[in-house]
Amino acid sequence: DTAVSQTPKYLVTQMGNDKSIKCEQNLGHDTMYWYKQDSKKFLKIMFSYNNKELIINETVPNRFSPKSPDKAHLNLHINSLELGDSAVYFCASGNPGYEQYFGPGTRLTVT
Amino acid sequence: GENVEQHPSTLSVQEGDSAVIKCTYSDSASNYFPWYKQELGKRPQLIIDIRSNVGEKKDQRIAVTLNKTAKHFSLHITETQPEDSAVYFCASIIQGAQKLVFGQGTRLTINP
Repeated sequence: DTAVSQTPKYLVTQMGNDKSIKCEQNLGHDTMYWYKQDSKKFLKIMFSYNNKELIINETVPNRFSPKSPDKAHLNLHINSLELGDSAVYFCASGNPGYEQYFGPGTRLTVT
Repeated sequence: GENVEQHPSTLSVQEGDSAVIKCTYSDSASNYFPWYKQELGKRPQLIIDIRSNVGEKKDQRIAVTLNKTAKHFSLHITETQPEDSAVYFCASIIQGAQKLVFGQGTRLTINP
């Protein structure tokens, strides 16, 4: 019954590996987002998709590639992981100008 | 683009006292101002929001005020309780824009 879900919750991997995080929402929203929250708790938007179309791409290294197979799903693939990629990644959905609903987060640790 | 400044970064108050967190925004076209609460290890969750056509909004112990002229908005929590301890984020969005811009967060600690 969860509104926004993402998997996995924890991800521990080595530098240089490629990993994916999946996100799904059942709220019927047209827009989905990926945020990165670093150790200082700053919430920074990375990407936004509206109905499968990329709307926002915030100076994120091209090792990060979002993919939206349909408007209920937005996945994040990361190539060649680096130590600085360690963070909590939140997926969210909402309609612009209204509340955004966040997923539970994926804590990524790169060793 | 829009910029949101949030103060203080940390706030410690005695249980039962009030807490106030302030944010300023840069773009006068901003028209939606939500506040999110993030408990340790959890997701951010909306606790209250306000639109630019309203000056104040209240929900039990929490209230938000908006001063459009000065471009600032504040979160007020009265009769604080230990469960109010969390990180609070303000945010704003420019009318018609897609991006919600967050403040830097305030870590609120309620001392028993």
